[in-house]
Amino acid sequence: EAEVAQSPRYKITEKSQAVAFWCDPISGHATLYWYRQILGQGPELLVQFQDESVVDDSQLPKDRFSAERLKGVDSTLKIQPAELGDSAMYLCASSLGDGMNTEAFFGQGTRLTVV
Amino acid sequence: SQQGEEDPQALSIQEGENATMNCSYKTSINNLQWYRQNSGRGLVHLILIRSNEREKHSGRLRVTLDTSKKSSSLLITASRAADTASYFCATDYTGANSKLTFGKGITLSVRP
Repeated sequence: EAEVAQSPRYKITEKSQAVAFWCDPISGHATLYWYRQILGQGPELLVQFQDESVVDDSQLPKDRFSAERLKGVDSTLKIQPAELGDSAMYLCASSLGDGMNTEAFFGQGTRLTVV
Repeated sequence: SQQGEEDPQALSIQEGENATMNCSYKTSINNLQWYRQNSGRGLVHLILIRSNEREKHSGRLRVTLDTSKKSSSLLITASRAADTASYFCATDYTGANSKLTFGKGITLSVRP
């Protein structure tokens, strides 16, 4: 069964360091999402891609966060510099993106701890 | 900001009982979806109901949607200990590019 792959699974980094997360969506899925989930809360959308284009990054803290999906397939989310408040689960999800089938398939997430 | 708001925040029931969870939202939607999340894992899609549908079933799940009240409910019948998880509603309210916005979630505990 096709899955969304994320790595690493866990990451511990010191504040002010750079950190990067990788996501490989399900093959053929045009829409890719990055969400941040703080413990006890729901996922918050950081950035949404349709193929290689960003369609929504209104909640992305652009002074320190960046995201790319260069060939419209896999994606990288980067934080530089990391702050203590960035500690959270970072979830990647994908969907067909055809406007009809909008169910999102999630990866297992990357648990980030900033110390 | 988060679109959907679930209630109750937490629910504890005995195995075999039914669990009902509610979600309210603020703006017009294309569809509403429910997801489950086991502790420390990714979310799993459970069911999607479109704005022109009023009720949908999938196995032990029953979802209703009332667009006039901007609310939805998820019913899990004959609950099992394995149903213990967090449940989230997500609203899709854009036309061209679906944008899923999640609520804060409901923690369901099913006691064996």
